[in-house]
Amino acid sequence: DGGITQSPKYLFRKEGQNVTLSCEQNLNHDAMYWYRQDPGQGLRLIYYSQIVNDFQKGDIAEGYSVSREKKESFPLTVTSAQKNPTAFYLCASSIDRAGPLGYTFGSGTRLTVV
Amino acid sequence: KQEVTQIPAALSVPEGENLVLNCSFTDSAIYNLQWFRQDPGKGLTSLLLIQSSQREQTSGRLNASLDKSSGRSTLYIAASQPGDSATYLCAVFLQGAQKLVFGQGTRLTINP
Repeated sequence: DGGITQSPKYLFRKEGQNVTLSCEQNLNHDAMYWYRQDPGQGLRLIYYSQIVNDFQKGDIAEGYSVSREKKESFPLTVTSAQKNPTAFYLCASSIDRAGPLGYTFGSGTRLTVV
Repeated sequence: KQEVTQIPAALSVPEGENLVLNCSFTDSAIYNLQWFRQDPGKGLTSLLLIQSSQREQTSGRLNASLDKSSGRSTLYIAASQPGDSATYLCAVFLQGAQKLVFGQGTRLTINP
C-alpha cells in the first residue's frame, strides 16, 4: 500500500543534541512538507520541498534543517539551535503544490527533550 | 494573513445524533479546502477534499460543503457513532501563498 512512513514514533533528545526525523513516501509525490503540532496552536509549516534538491523555509524554520536528495525521502534535523523542540512532528506529501488530491500525512513523530 | 477558525473547539453529543462542525476562513482566494481527522497521538487522515469550484463533497456519513463567498465550510456527520470521536481539522490551500493553512480543530466526543 502506498503511504508515508515516519520514524521513529517517539524520540528523546538531550540538551544540545541534534536529532533527525525520517520521512519516506512511496506515493510518487513531488512535494513534501514538515509540520509541527503544539497543543492549542494547530499545525505550523517548518519546511517544504517541491522537487529533489530544492526546499523552502516555512513559517517556523529557525533551528531546523532538511535535505531532499531523493524524491521518496525528506528527513528533518532538529538542531541544538531549536530552543523548544518538544512537539509532535508530521510529514506530508502531495502530488504537486496544489495537488488536486490534497495532502497525505504520516503518523507522526513525538519528540521530547530530556 | 489568512486565518482559519473552527467552532466549536470541543463538542460532546450522544450517539446517533446528526452534527455540524464549522470552519471559516478570511481569504476567499483558496485553491481547495480539506477536512482531516486526527485520533489522539496519531497522524492526520484525509476525510474530504473540496476544490474551489465545488460546493460539496460526500463520503459515507460525511458531507462537506464550501461557500467561498462567505468564507465558510461545514462538515456534517450523520448518525454519529462512538468511533467518530476524534479531533477534526479543516485546512485551506491558498492560491497566493501556495501553502496549506490549518484551523485549530474541533475535538468531538460521541457518548454511547
